[in-house]
Amino acid sequence: QQQVKQSPQSLIVQKGGISIINCAYENTAFDYFPWYQQFPGKGPALLIAIRPDVSEKKEGRFTISFNKSAKQFSLHIMDSQPGDSATYFCAASMRDNYGQNFVFGPGTRLSVLP
Amino acid sequence: NAGVTQTPKFQVLKTGQSMTLQCAQDMNHNSMYWYRQDPGMGLRLIYYSASEGTTDKGEVPNGYNVSRLNKREFSLRLESAAPSQTSVYFCASSRGQGAGELFFGEGSRLTVL
Repeated sequence: QQQVKQSPQSLIVQKGGISIINCAYENTAFDYFPWYQQFPGKGPALLIAIRPDVSEKKEGRFTISFNKSAKQFSLHIMDSQPGDSATYFCAASMRDNYGQNFVFGPGTRLSVLP
Repeated sequence: NAGVTQTPKFQVLKTGQSMTLQCAQDMNHNSMYWYRQDPGMGLRLIYYSASEGTTDKGEVPNGYNVSRLNKREFSLRLESAAPSQTSVYFCASSRGQGAGELFFGEGSRLTVL
């Protein structure tokens, strides 16, 4: 129930195209869904996040779509650029007795071709 | 604006050796975490500390110990390193209590021969 599934494992998109990464979770106690972007040799950094009371959140070219009933959420990158080439992790978080617990998906390696 | 600082960045150990990874944050965060990252496995939680003075096991705690030295510092110790502990280790921090964002350090790449 703690697992977060993520697909695809890798994605190749042409410059200007749309990149879509999908995630699914089981535990309905999760109440915060962030996406992290990681460049080689660096730590992950927060890209965008959503809470389950909204179905969509947009920040610039990045949009999260959230389907509470299906327990799925996805990241859409519009007008993908070579600088977006990175590994993307979805995550789900909930508060527990000890604070806040995060569970990460396995990651998607995105390559945007010039 | 250092954020989360980890040392060392790279380390090579022989099987059975011990070492400590150091982590410090300057954001006055309550919660701190240690993750390991392996290809195709994402980030797996080793240990976390919800607040100063508390620590708890995560998904993969075996072979590791932690110390929350004070509010700023959270160290990870490998008492007897094994090749299976070859990985990239990330320390992270957050304000805690559902506050949201997790801030990561740049990672420590550990190889156990």
